[in-house]
Amino acid sequence: GEEVAQTPKHLVRGEGQKAKLYCAPIKGHSYVFWYQQVLKNEFKFLISFQNENVFDETGMPKERFSAKCLPNSPCSLEIQATKLEDSAVYFCASSRYVQETQYFGPGTRLLVL
Amino acid sequence: AQTVTQSQPEMSVQEAETVTLSCTYDTSESDYYLFWYKQPPSRQMILVIRQEAYKQQNATENRFSVNFQKAAKSFSLKISDSQLGDAAMYFCAYCGSSNTGKLIFGQGTTLQVKP
Repeated sequence: GEEVAQTPKHLVRGEGQKAKLYCAPIKGHSYVFWYQQVLKNEFKFLISFQNENVFDETGMPKERFSAKCLPNSPCSLEIQATKLEDSAVYFCASSRYVQETQYFGPGTRLLVL
Repeated sequence: AQTVTQSQPEMSVQEAETVTLSCTYDTSESDYYLFWYKQPPSRQMILVIRQEAYKQQNATENRFSVNFQKAAKSFSLKISDSQLGDAAMYFCAYCGSSNTGKLIFGQGTTLQVKP
C-alpha cells in the first residue's frame, strides 16, 4: 500500500496480559522500524527489520518484548505480561533504504491497567 | 552516543508571522541525516523536511526551511507565514550513517499558532 498501516488503533490490557500489535509497511519498502512514544512524548527505538531479518534490536527489552516480520504477513510486535510502564503509543515506520526517510504509521495506543 | 536536544518545550507565533524552532545535536560522525517531523494532536508523524549533512545548501519545502550549521551542530526549522494548521508538536531527529538507520529524536517543541 501507499501508507504504513497499523492495527489496532487502541488496545487495552490488564497488567500481566499479552498485547500484540501489527504493522504493514509501504509496498516496496525493505526496512521496518518500531518506536515507543511514552507519555512525556519521548521516542524510544525498539527494533528494526530488513525484510524478514532482524536488523537492529538494541532497543528491545528482551524479557517481554518480541517482534517478527514474516514474508507476506504484517510485521508484529508482541508484549508478554504487560506492565503499567508499557502504556505508550507504538509507532511503526518503513523506508526503502536504511537511511532513507522513514514514513510512519498512525500508531497503536496501548493502555495497560 | 548521539543525542538531540530541543531546548524550547513550547513556542508561540501569530498567524502569518515567522517562527524558528531550535535543534542541536551531538555526534562524532561526519555523514548523517537530519529530519523535522510534525506531530499534530492526532499523533500522526508527518515528515516536514530532510537534510543530508554532506549538502551545504539548506533544505526548503514551501514555507518550511532549515538553517543547517554543521560546525555548530545546529539544525533549526523556520516556518514562514504561519498557519493555524501548523500548530503541532515538532520533533527534530538524527540518523547517523553508522547507526543502522534508527532515528534519535529530540524532546519535541509544541508550537501554538495564535489567530
